[in-house]
Amino acid sequence: GAVVSQHPSRVICKSGTSVKIECRSLDFQATTMFWYRQFPKQSLMLMATSNEGSKATYEQGVEKDKFLINHASLTLSTLTVTSAHPEDSSFYICSAIAGETQYFGPGTRLLVL
Amino acid sequence: GEDVEQSLFLSVREGDSSVINCTYTDSSSTYLYWYKQEPGAGLQLLTYIFSNMDMKQDQRLTVLLNKKDKHLSLRIADTQTGDSAIYFCAEADAGGTSYGKLTFGQGTILTVHP
Repeated sequence: GAVVSQHPSRVICKSGTSVKIECRSLDFQATTMFWYRQFPKQSLMLMATSNEGSKATYEQGVEKDKFLINHASLTLSTLTVTSAHPEDSSFYICSAIAGETQYFGPGTRLLVL
Repeated sequence: GEDVEQSLFLSVREGDSSVINCTYTDSSSTYLYWYKQEPGAGLQLLTYIFSNMDMKQDQRLTVLLNKKDKHLSLRIADTQTGDSAIYFCAEADAGGTSYGKLTFGQGTILTVHP
């Protein structure tokens, strides 16, 4: 099956700094990728749809200036959490569509101190 | 908007069958998915069913879809301790600008006892 990777798998940063998370489709091209956020013991909440070569589409309530998304190539989307605060601590998961199926990355655990 | 609901917990004995239920509200759903998430990991696609199908079987997994009642179930035969995880059902939007967007249920925590 299709493989999606994320880097880093976990990151700890200080409050006020920015963190970049990469999402790569390893064996297929993805014009569309998705970014989700998952709080402990909760479901996944879609944050934004990342479109190759165009602006991302953000879900209601997600600050686009805080969560910057760049999808510069058909195999890479990046999510940058700018000026991170402790409440941004969460598990961030990306996904990419291959055919009719959505494949998920292993997730990135972000802890903001 | 779309809503997907699951029961939160299921506990079974090793070797028994597990049935995880899911209901959804969006009648225009095209695909319905079952994902498995182990602690600290991403989501693993288990199986999916197209909305014009009633049933799909894949080894130990059987998916039943009742489109009239908007009810989806996942049956795991001969449940093993390695099946302990959180199981999410998700429905995919029909298309247009929402193409590919998934709405997830809350997840069902399956615990398998030896």
